[in-house]
Amino acid sequence: GEDVEQSLFLSVREGDSSVINCTYTDSSSTYLYWYKQEPGAGLQLLTYIFSNMDMKQDQRLTVLLNKKDKHLSLRIADTQTGDSAIYFCAESEGNQGGKLIFGQGTELSVKP
Amino acid sequence: DADVTQTPRNRITKTGKRIMLECSQTKGHDRMYWYRQDPGLGLRLIYYSFDVKDINKGEISDGYSVSRQAQAKFSLSLESAIPNQTALYFCATSDQQGVHEQFFGPGTRLTVL
Repeated sequence: GEDVEQSLFLSVREGDSSVINCTYTDSSSTYLYWYKQEPGAGLQLLTYIFSNMDMKQDQRLTVLLNKKDKHLSLRIADTQTGDSAIYFCAESEGNQGGKLIFGQGTELSVKP
Repeated sequence: DADVTQTPRNRITKTGKRIMLECSQTKGHDRMYWYRQDPGLGLRLIYYSFDVKDINKGEISDGYSVSRQAQAKFSLSLESAIPNQTALYFCATSDQQGVHEQFFGPGTRLTVL
């Protein structure tokens, strides 16, 4: 079945760039997503990329998609302590949307 | 007011008890989902519903049941709770159009002793 894999932890210094990586299996996903979970809260959509795109930039966020290798990454420039959270990669099951398959989540720790 | 609400927010119960977690939404979405979150395992889908008359099993439905009472309400039941159902439970909703963004409730922390 479909699977999404992420490393569990990442620690960076404030002001550095953070790169969170993800691999997925469903090549028919229309969209791939990054969700953010702050402590004690539910998940919120951070950004997404359409499957026919290679890159999407949104202010400090850059999403790169390598469809050949089924690899997705999220780069956060000038990481701040407020970026400390768990980041989940997700793929949509098939091309109909709706059901999402989430990765394990990467806990980003930003040290001052 | 929050768009997706869950009650209760915290619950401690004993093995064998029946528990119901409730979810309400004011977003007008047709699609609703129940997930559980465990450390290191991410979110796993328990059940989902694309319409009031539609119920579908997710990845880990054993030991759980759901009821979609109305478009705005989707409840999750544990018929006979067991300790390995201790987890953080999230309800989510999404629209069938657009990028299918899911909107999450604040979560229910359930502990089964």
